[in-house]
Amino acid sequence: GDSVTQMEGPVTLSEEAFLTINCTYTATGYPSLFWYVQYPGEGLQLLLKATKADDKGSNKGFEATYRKETTSFHLEKGSVQVSDSAVYFCALSGDFGNEKLTFGTGTRLTIIP
Amino acid sequence: GAVVSQHPSWVICKSGTSVKIECRSLDFQATTMFWYRQFPKQSLMLMATSNEGSKATYEQGVEKDKFLINHASLTLSTLTVTSAHPEDSSFYICSASSKGQAIEQYFGPGTRLTVT
Repeated sequence: GDSVTQMEGPVTLSEEAFLTINCTYTATGYPSLFWYVQYPGEGLQLLLKATKADDKGSNKGFEATYRKETTSFHLEKGSVQVSDSAVYFCALSGDFGNEKLTFGTGTRLTIIP
Repeated sequence: GAVVSQHPSWVICKSGTSVKIECRSLDFQATTMFWYRQFPKQSLMLMATSNEGSKATYEQGVEKDKFLINHASLTLSTLTVTSAHPEDSSFYICSASSKGQAIEQYFGPGTRLTVT
């Protein structure tokens, strides 16, 4: 079945550091890929998405590129801020009319001033 | 826009009792609602998908008689954990979609259930 593997946290970085959170997936067909973010006390929010190979999703300075050859969707940001502290989830939605989301385990990110 | 609420945010109950969790879409009509369960340091696991006015579709391994889901209106779905046991203790999250698509899910903040 479909699965998502993302780097384990927690990750702690200093403000303005470069961020990478790795995500790889296993799926049949052509899934859509997502990054969700969960701020303390809030529900998951869609951060960005990509629906086909080589697409780049971007939002709030975050980027991720759908790499079919490496089955990856790594999340990057050039300069993180304290307000980026949250839990980040990589997820995929299957192909062939399967609308379910399969999530990774989440990565807790803490940015220190 | 696209706000989903859950009530209660946390609940403690005794073993053998039943607990109801509500999920509401506050500013849109949710044709489809999803219920997830999350264990500590693990990913969200889809439990069931419900469409307004019809029976929920449960994922393999989820006991439908234990986790009763009702989606009686376009803004409300409920999850009832019947005869709860300590192993049911978990974080339950709902999401809602106005288009019935995974790509457009909006998530509630979750409900922490502790069964003693």
